[in-house]
Amino acid sequence: IQLTQSPSSLSASIGDRVTITCRASQAISTYLAWYLQQPGRAPKVLIYAASTLQSGVPSRFSGSGSGTDFTLTISSLQPEDFGTYYCQHLNVYPRTFGQGTKVE
Amino acid sequence: QVQLQESGPGLVKPSQTLSLTCTVSGGSISSGGFYWSWIRQFPGKGLEWIGYVYHSGTTSYNPSLKSRVTISVDTSKNQFSLNLTSVTAADTAVYYCARDTYHSGWYFFDYWGQGTPVTVSS
Repeated sequence: IQLTQSPSSLSASIGDRVTITCRASQAISTYLAWYLQQPGRAPKVLIYAASTLQSGVPSRFSGSGSGTDFTLTISSLQPEDFGTYYCQHLNVYPRTFGQGTKVE
Repeated sequence: QVQLQESGPGLVKPSQTLSLTCTVSGGSISSGGFYWSWIRQFPGKGLEWIGYVYHSGTTSYNPSLKSRVTISVDTSKNQFSLNLTSVTAADTAVYYCARDTYHSGWYFFDYWGQGTPVTVSS
């Protein structure tokens, strides 16, 4: 299963609403997670099951979608939100990731 | 708090075997519902899942690497390991160990090591 994210990068300011999309090459129901990788650090899970917020993740993050089209939204961008976002499909092997969206 | 820490050589010669170990602390590797995984990140930032081992020793590998990969577990040391044979420059990457967690019907990577860079070069 191929995952294609758009855009590949975007420029945003503190307080902006940011939207990132992930498209799957075939229907995957809601088997999708989103991760944030801050510079020099490992990825951190934000959302799984397409829309379920992982424990401890701020509510400004939200996810939606099912089938082949998914969206990650940050309602008000904060300084710690800069980095690269990846989508990943769940529950099927091999696990695959999108190519990433860099927010700068 | 679960922590994972990778260890191993940062430089491997072409055609040799890359060997890394991940030490788990703050939790038992023998606990059910967790799949102990290796993931790598290429210099261009793409992420590739390599495979996992369950505490029983059951494994699953990425078909693209299956002929070269072995992942094993040592429950007595709370560690799991990666062996990748016949490496080339294309295997140069940051290697992460991670815990693939089964939670309420869903699997996702909830804990990651800090990553260890490995360069394949003579």
